Amino acid sequence: AQRVTQPEKLLSVFKGAPVELKCNYSYSGSPELFWYVQYSRQRLQLLLRHISRESIKGFTADLNKGETSFHLKKPFAQEEDSAMYYCAPSTLTFGKGTMLLVSP
Amino acid sequence: NAGVMQNPRHLVRRRGQEARLRCSPMKGHSHVYWYRQLPEEGLKFMVYLQKENIIDESGMPKERFSAEFPKEGPSILRIQQVVRGDSAAYFCASRGETSTDTQYFGPGTRLTVL
Repeated sequence: AQRVTQPEKLLSVFKGAPVELKCNYSYSGSPELFWYVQYSRQRLQLLLRHISRESIKGFTADLNKGETSFHLKKPFAQEEDSAMYYCAPSTLTFGKGTMLLVSP
Repeated sequence: NAGVMQNPRHLVRRRGQEARLRCSPMKGHSHVYWYRQLPEEGLKFMVYLQKENIIDESGMPKERFSAEFPKEGPSILRIQQVVRGDSAAYFCASRGETSTDTQYFGPGTRLTVL
C-alpha cells in the first residue's frame, strides 16, 4: 500500500529562518518522489522531483531510504515561500499538505 | 499555450442531479489524471486516461462515477445522482508522452451538492 505522511498541517517561521517540511512515505516498489507547491490563488505546480536532484527556489529534498523520508528544506525562508506544500511518492499518491507561513 | 483548462470552475448541484466536469489538457498532451480533494485532505487519485482509453481507475468509486477522454474534445468526469459527500474540489492534470514528463494541473472545479 502507498501512504504518505506530512505530520505538520501548519509550519510558521520568520523570514530568514531555516525551513524543513517533513514527509514520510511507505511505498511498494521504487517511489518517484515529488514535492508540489500551491501558492495563493494559483494552481498546483511541481516544485521538484527526486530524479532530477535539482534545487528550485532554494529548496532541496533528500531521499533517506532508511527512514523512508523525503523532507523539503530551505536554509533561509522568504515571504514569497508562503504556500501549501504537498509531498507525493508518485503521481497517484499525495500527502495532505503542509501550509508554510513565512512572516516578516 | 493556455495550460490545463477546467470548466466549470464552480458547479452547484442538488442531490440526485448529474455533474459533468470537463478538462482540456495542455496542447500535445494525451495523458490525463483526475483527482479529488475533500476539505482538509490531500489529493486523492481517481482515474488515469489516455486518449480513448482508461488506463487506471483504481481510485474511482465503482458506482455513479465515470470518466472518458474521447478522441476529440475534453476529458469528462461524470458523477450521476450526486450526494452531499461528493462535494469537493476536482482537479485534473495532464502530461506528455513520456512517463517522467511533468504533470501540469488545472485550476480545479469546486463541486457543491446542496
